[in-house]
Amino acid sequence: DAGITQSPRYKITETGRQVTLMCHQTWSHSYMFWYRQDLGHGLRLIYYSAAADITDKGEVPDGYVVSRSKTENFPLTLESATRSQTSVYFCASSEGAALNTGELFFGEGSRLTVL
Amino acid sequence: QKEVEQDPGPLSVPEGAIVSLNCTYSNSAFQYFMWYRQYSRKGPELLMYTYSSGNKEDGRFTAQVDKSSKYISLFIRDSQPSDSATYLCAMRRNIYNNNDMRFGAGTRLTVKP
Repeated sequence: DAGITQSPRYKITETGRQVTLMCHQTWSHSYMFWYRQDLGHGLRLIYYSAAADITDKGEVPDGYVVSRSKTENFPLTLESATRSQTSVYFCASSEGAALNTGELFFGEGSRLTVL
Repeated sequence: QKEVEQDPGPLSVPEGAIVSLNCTYSNSAFQYFMWYRQYSRKGPELLMYTYSSGNKEDGRFTAQVDKSSKYISLFIRDSQPSDSATYLCAMRRNIYNNNDMRFGAGTRLTVKP
């Protein structure tokens, strides 16, 4: 019963370093998403992907890069981490639009601290 | 102004109380409304889903949507300590755009035994 897994769960890094957060899902869902969750802002969409090799920007994409070479993986990279990127990052997936009730399936989150 | 406003709380109630959680929104194009529950250090999980206006009941939970007032509510009857979590409202315009889900900031609820 794997579902959607994120790694690492906790990460501390320094300003300017590159960080990659991994996301893997076993449901073969078409859509995958990266959100960040900050106090007072709720969940904000960073990037999403409709299928392998198809990605698009969300609400807050600056400073982030994604790729999706395989349906099951959707890594998020911070190319040069900044303190403002300290947050909890959630990966999520959902089925295709025709079956979509709006339910997103979330991972347990990756808590990132940038010093 | 945020598209979705939600009082962050915290809200503390005794066991057995009726809890009312609310969100307001500004975009009248939203048609699908959801409530997610998030336990501490976990990801959100879908609790209730409603389309357009009206009520939907599921056990102790009732979701209510008033599109004319741009106001949605989640009621929890006979609240239990296991209901202690953060509740996030979410909404979207249609089921085809997966990138247009908007979340409230979440209300932290504690139910005391």
